[in-house]
Amino acid sequence: DTEVTQTPKHLVMGMTNKKSLKCEQHMGHRAMYWYKQKAKKPPELMFVYSYEKLSINESVPSRFSPECPNSSLLNLHLHALQPEDSALYLCASSHPDRDQPQHFGDGTRLSIL
Amino acid sequence: AQSVTQLDSQVPVFEEAPVELRCNYSSSVSVYLFWYVQYPNQGLQLLLKYLSGSTLVKGINGFEAEFNKSQTSFHLRKPSVHISDTAEYFCAVIFVGGYQKVTFGIGTKLQVIP
Repeated sequence: DTEVTQTPKHLVMGMTNKKSLKCEQHMGHRAMYWYKQKAKKPPELMFVYSYEKLSINESVPSRFSPECPNSSLLNLHLHALQPEDSALYLCASSHPDRDQPQHFGDGTRLSIL
Repeated sequence: AQSVTQLDSQVPVFEEAPVELRCNYSSSVSVYLFWYVQYPNQGLQLLLKYLSGSTLVKGINGFEAEFNKSQTSFHLRKPSVHISDTAEYFCAVIFVGGYQKVTFGIGTKLQVIP
């Protein structure tokens, strides 16, 4: 069992739908991350929140909208996605200190029809 | 330029044989080094980390890695692999001063053959 919980595990949506991915951790970590992972590729960083504030946005299209409502929760709101957005979306958390490893959830497998 | 290289995209090895997965990095600053494992349909699990101190680090599942600063390497080893070790392995680096950004290698698929 991972300490970072992501829901849902699988999501299929049309290009006009609006949906949200959720991530929760109770390890007291104050940095949280969204990654996108395509098949047979390493994770690509999308967003970083540090102390509930967005600190890094890796030039992600605006159809992806992150939200960090509190120190334990991280959301990724999805709207008008494209087929190429189909991927595994991973959430991670860590202490904000730069030398701490990140802990990952099991991801949400997203398919865009 | 700062980068991470995993030279082998796939490594087939027979069960109970030893294995080494290679990782090299390029950096002008200090680094923190990690190995993660990803089983099918799962997230990444931390195997081990090097932050400072002893260059030989031991991790979970019988894995270990050695930090070699002169060769800028952080190779992962296991003396005897099991079928259950079949997975994707990612070397990851934090370049000091890079503030929370982890750079991943492309991954090595370890295929354990019965």
